[in-house]
Amino acid sequence: GAVVSQHPSWVICKSGTSVKIECRSLDFQATTMFWYRQFPKQSLMLMATSNEGSKATYEQGVEKDKFLINHASLTLSTLTVTSAHPEDSSFYICSASGGHEETQYFGPGTRLLVL
Amino acid sequence: QKEVEQDPGPLSVPEGAIVSLNCTYSNSAFQYFMWYRQYSRKGPELLMYTYSSGNKEDGRFTAQVDKSSKYISLFIRDSQPSDSATYLCAMSASNDYKLSFGAGTTVTVRA
Repeated sequence: GAVVSQHPSWVICKSGTSVKIECRSLDFQATTMFWYRQFPKQSLMLMATSNEGSKATYEQGVEKDKFLINHASLTLSTLTVTSAHPEDSSFYICSASGGHEETQYFGPGTRLLVL
Repeated sequence: QKEVEQDPGPLSVPEGAIVSLNCTYSNSAFQYFMWYRQYSRKGPELLMYTYSSGNKEDGRFTAQVDKSSKYISLFIRDSQPSDSATYLCAMSASNDYKLSFGAGTTVTVRA
């Protein structure tokens, strides 16, 4: 139980384009979803928290107009990196809460490379 | 001072050894304590979840929480090469599910 999927698992795009990453909770309803990015050999950095049907709450220093988050249903959240630049290249991981334990269950991550 | 302190290692042990990992924290409001395992280029996987002081055992894994000392531990018995990964401690203060993470400890189990 408590499985979270992400799609795509990796993506390469040209600078200036937008990229959408999907996060789905497969066997539970996620009341809250979280988006993280992780640089090599570093811990996870929380970008934003989203609840279904409401606007996401962004962490300090994260541009909400650049990283658009939509939490349209209890099983789906999307992160859109708009006008991507090479410095946006990173490992993006989503997580969801609402399963049996009061904690977060993580997706497998999406590796983004912006050329 | 970080809210959660974790020695990043790296930690290298021979197969069959006991792996001992720990974290300390400063926020006395933390009530829920987790250990995640993260393989390279993968998302973290929940290993252990506890919400009270004491021990919790699951197979080869034992989690300890000492709220009075603000100290948590994870022990891996009979370690295997497949246990080679980064182990992250995490904790939260309330049921908003927001987590504070340690830096992660990289563990290598040598065959």
